[in-house]
Amino acid sequence: QVQLVESGGGVVQPGGSLRLSCAASGFTFSSYGMHWVRQVPGKGLEWVAFIRYDGSSKFYADSVKGRFTISRDNSKNTLYLQMNSLRAEDTAVFYCAKDLLGKIDYWGQGTLVTVSS
Amino acid sequence: EIVLTQSPATLSLSPGERATLSCRASQSVSTYLVWYQQKPGQAPRLLIYDASNRATGIPARFSGSGSGTDFTLTISSLEPEDFAVYFCQQRSNWPRTFGQGTKVEIK
Repeated sequence: QVQLVESGGGVVQPGGSLRLSCAASGFTFSSYGMHWVRQVPGKGLEWVAFIRYDGSSKFYADSVKGRFTISRDNSKNTLYLQMNSLRAEDTAVFYCAKDLLGKIDYWGQGTLVTVSS
Repeated sequence: EIVLTQSPATLSLSPGERATLSCRASQSVSTYLVWYQQKPGQAPRLLIYDASNRATGIPARFSGSGSGTDFTLTISSLEPEDFAVYFCQQRSNWPRTFGQGTKVEIK
């Protein structure tokens, strides 16, 4: 069965950096694009970034462009999100999600990022 | 970016009733519209893709319709497990965007 397990969340000061990881299993990771989606607890979903199956193309939300970088290591079945210059408004649960022809068919359980001094 | 507006924000209904949720796009997304369900403390779950196709394992009481800018998710007869928040998402353009959600609550 498909499993997506995020890690790397925690508390960071404004202006700081954090790297999230997502360990994937149960499917051929190198064949699928992957997303990061975030959600302020109790609020709506915000799409953050996408990377194609081979890493050849990446797309970002305007709110994170230039600060966040999505990447993947297909040899390790792992997705990453490098987050720099973090702001209070980046506080959210970050979900790793598998793409299937443009829709998200599997989601991880999320990791909480809190940006606070 | 394409803005998705969902209405109503909250829908108060009783089990057995019909639920009709709306999602309107700021520009045409053709039929590239997806619906997700999210329950408290859980990740979202894929319900409907490409406006009207049920995802694997989704009961027939869930149906989607629409094209262009106006879309509808219908739950024909609410079961207790259907009370949740529903989000629409467009996969037509980058950046991908979500609607703000509709909460279906027990009346």
